[in-house]
Parts: sequence; C-alpha cells; structure tokens
Amino acid sequence: EMQLVQSGAEVKKAGESLRISCKGSADSFITYWIGWVRQMPGKGLEWVAIIYAGDSRTRYSPSFQGRITTSVDKSITTAYLQWNSLKASDTAMYFCASTPGGGDSSGAFDIWGQGTVVTVSS
Amino acid sequence: EIVLTQSPGTLSLSPGERATLSCRASQSVTSNYLAWYQKTPGQAPRLLMYAASSRATGIPDRFSGSGSGTDFTLTISRLEPADFAVYYCQQYGSSPYTFGQGTKLEIK
Repeated sequence: EMQLVQSGAEVKKAGESLRISCKGSADSFITYWIGWVRQMPGKGLEWVAIIYAGDSRTRYSPSFQGRITTSVDKSITTAYLQWNSLKASDTAMYFCASTPGGGDSSGAFDIWGQGTVVTVSS
Repeated sequence: EIVLTQSPGTLSLSPGERATLSCRASQSVTSNYLAWYQKTPGQAPRLLMYAASSRATGIPDRFSGSGSGTDFTLTISRLEPADFAVYYCQQYGSSPYTFGQGTKLEIK
C-alpha cells in the first residue's frame, strides 16, 4: 500500500525559491496521481495541482498556475512542489496525497502525507 | 471551474444524533465524481466517500453518501465523539478538482 512522507517545515523570506517533496513507498508508484492541497491558517482545503507519476502529465488550479510547478522523479518515487518566488501569502500547510490512476476513485485522495508547513516572512 | 457550496457552515449536534451535510455544485459533476473528507486539527484529511456513495476502505457504515448531478449529501447515522470535525466535499469529475468550503460539525 502507498505511504507518503513529506519533507520538513520550511521558513523562507519573500522572493526566495522553495521546493518541497513527497516520497511515495509503493512499488506501483508510477500508476498513481500525486496531488497537492493547501490549507492556509484557519482556512479550508484548496486543490492546487496533480501530476501523474507515470508520465508527468499535470493539471493545475487556475488560482495557482504560473506561481507553482509540480514535478516527479520516478527513479526515487518522489513528487515535488516548487515556487520560484515566494510571497507571504504562500504561508500555509501543504499536503501531498495520492489517488489511483484509473477507476471511479481516480481523483479522490485516499492516501495523504503528513503535511509540510511553509512559513514565508515579508 | 466548478464551485462547491457546503451547508450548513456549522452543525451543532449531540452524540448519538444523525448528521446531514449538504454539498451543492455550480454545475453538474461528471459521473457523480464527488468525494467527502473528514479533517481534524493537526491531522491529514481522511477520505470517507468517493463517487458520491461508495465508502472508502475502513470507513464504518454509519457514514453514507447520496446524490447526483449538482446536489449531494453526507449522512452520519449515529454520531460518535470522534466524528466531530470539519467535513469537506470535493468534485473530481472535471479539472480543477475543487473543494467545498467545509462544514464544521461541533458538539452541542
């Protein structure tokens, strides 16, 4: 069964770049979509982006497209979320989560990482 | 982009009571690909339901989902203390796969 382990908390300054990671454990990693979900302090869940580990097909929320990039390295079963220039408003918890590549549940996240807290100071 | 509106914003009930949570979509959800999650502070979300009415692995049958098109419901038949949390719906029928704003289920 898939397990996801995310990288540790980050404290950055506005304008800096950042890449956080999400390592999957399943031998079948390449058959999963890996998604990213943001939760700002005291707020709800926001769908950010998703990437198919097998061929790196991506889909982004219009709210985040152009500001973040998701990628995957199949050789080490790890997905990434990257910012080139952080803003204070990027301060949030970011979860990665997986969903099967096909079927009625494809798109519903059944396995979640523990979350990465990103704090950006202005 | 499909907008999901959940109601009520907060639901106050007692253990043992029945909870009914609503999720309305701004347009029809393709193939009724609607999921429900439970979120407690400090924890990752937990998938409860997918495809509107299918329970995820390990979810007790106190939880049930229904609905189609634009109107969906999550029902918890007999509330237990661990059920008091925030619940989110999510549609994954068309990208971007959006979440609702959440319903907080609190102890009365």
